[in-house]
Amino acid sequence: SQQGEEDPQALSIQEGENATMNCSYKTSINNLQWYRQNSGRGLVHLILIRSNEREKHSGRLRVTLDTSKKSSSLLITASRAADTASYFCATVTIQGAQKLVFGQGTRLTINP
Amino acid sequence: DSGVTQTPKHLITATGQRVTLRCSPRSGDLSVYWYQQSLDQGLQFLIQYYNGEERAKGNILERFSAQQFPDLHSELNLSSLELGDSALYFCASSVGQVVGNTIYFGEGSWLTVV
Repeated sequence: SQQGEEDPQALSIQEGENATMNCSYKTSINNLQWYRQNSGRGLVHLILIRSNEREKHSGRLRVTLDTSKKSSSLLITASRAADTASYFCATVTIQGAQKLVFGQGTRLTINP
Repeated sequence: DSGVTQTPKHLITATGQRVTLRCSPRSGDLSVYWYQQSLDQGLQFLIQYYNGEERAKGNILERFSAQQFPDLHSELNLSSLELGDSALYFCASSVGQVVGNTIYFGEGSWLTVV
């Protein structure tokens, strides 16, 4: 079963605009991670945010985490055509066997 | 290049057959994970091994099995294949356990069952 749910399922914006993707999850987590996947390729780790962190930056990426709302957001600023990909959030729960469980992903298209 | 190597890259086989997917983790990584990605089910966690021992199990069918060998490479065996098993199978690895460690994914093995 999926732990995370991304919103929106698909997003299309113009190059240069900012893209925001959201992720909601159900159970308490140890950390939340964002991954990127180009079509038919492997997943690339973007950023990890721990449950005691609220915000993290990496280059043009900004991730926030609100554990009270069980939600996270990924912001990509000044988007580029090369950012076109699917973006997944994944969570590591603190209960039971610890697994990295992925959401369904957001398909981001950057139009030049 | 993540450093995780998967073979074969593409595989076409008939229903009822058995296939083996192979994974070499990044040098130094002790954990290996297997995921299945399909259009209808998304990315599903199958199983994790750490230093040769099974550590976590997900939605892995009984027809599927995996193991991690002493040299840390791993194999995923899929038997009695059905059309619905057609998917992209990913292997991933990390230095330690899943908590707090970056997990690196291979490029995947495309399995088509006809």
